[in-house]
Amino acid sequence: GDSVTQMEGPVTLSEEACLTINCTYTATGYPSLFWYVQYPGEGLQLLLKATKADDKGSNKGFEATYRKETTSFHLEKGSVQVSDSAVYFCALSDDRLSFGAGTTVTVRA
Amino acid sequence: DAGVIQSPRHEVTEMGQEVTLRCKPISGHNSLFWYRQTMMRGLELLIYFNNNVPIDDSGMPEDRFSAKMPNASFSTLKIQPSEPRDSAVYFCASSQGGTSGSRGKETQYFGPGTRLLVL
Repeated sequence: GDSVTQMEGPVTLSEEACLTINCTYTATGYPSLFWYVQYPGEGLQLLLKATKADDKGSNKGFEATYRKETTSFHLEKGSVQVSDSAVYFCALSDDRLSFGAGTTVTVRA
Repeated sequence: DAGVIQSPRHEVTEMGQEVTLRCKPISGHNSLFWYRQTMMRGLELLIYFNNNVPIDDSGMPEDRFSAKMPNASFSTLKIQPSEPRDSAVYFCASSQGGTSGSRGKETQYFGPGTRLLVL
């Protein structure tokens, strides 16, 4: 079945460092791909999404490009802030929304 | 815009007791999802409703779990009897525009969750 594999954490960075969280997927159809973010004590929020190959999703300085040739949807941000500390989930949607295990990111001042 | 509303936010109960979690989806959304989040298993979809009808309950762990959606603005997830292994954070999410065959394509909006502890 469809599945998502994302980079294990935790990831600890200094403010203004570059962040990359790898995500690869397995799917039989043509899924949409998502990144959700979960801040401490809160529910998940959609960060960005892409619905077809070569689409780039972007929001709050984060970007991810739907790469069908490498079945990947890596999340990147060029300069992180303390407020970006959260758990990030890659997700795939074809028939149902399937989440990766989540990557905990901590940004230190 | 109120977002998805869940209650209670925290619940502590004793093994064997009945637990009822409540969810109010975003107005106008026609799909509703119940998820469970644990450290060991991550996020699991428990059940999915479309237009108030349960479409897929294959994720419901066992008969102790039941969910209802009596109308478009309210859903409950009930655990009876509860067990310590049910301790988790339970999320409700809703989305707009989906059909029974396209449950995942639309963006889902999550509530803040109910943190359940069964002693």
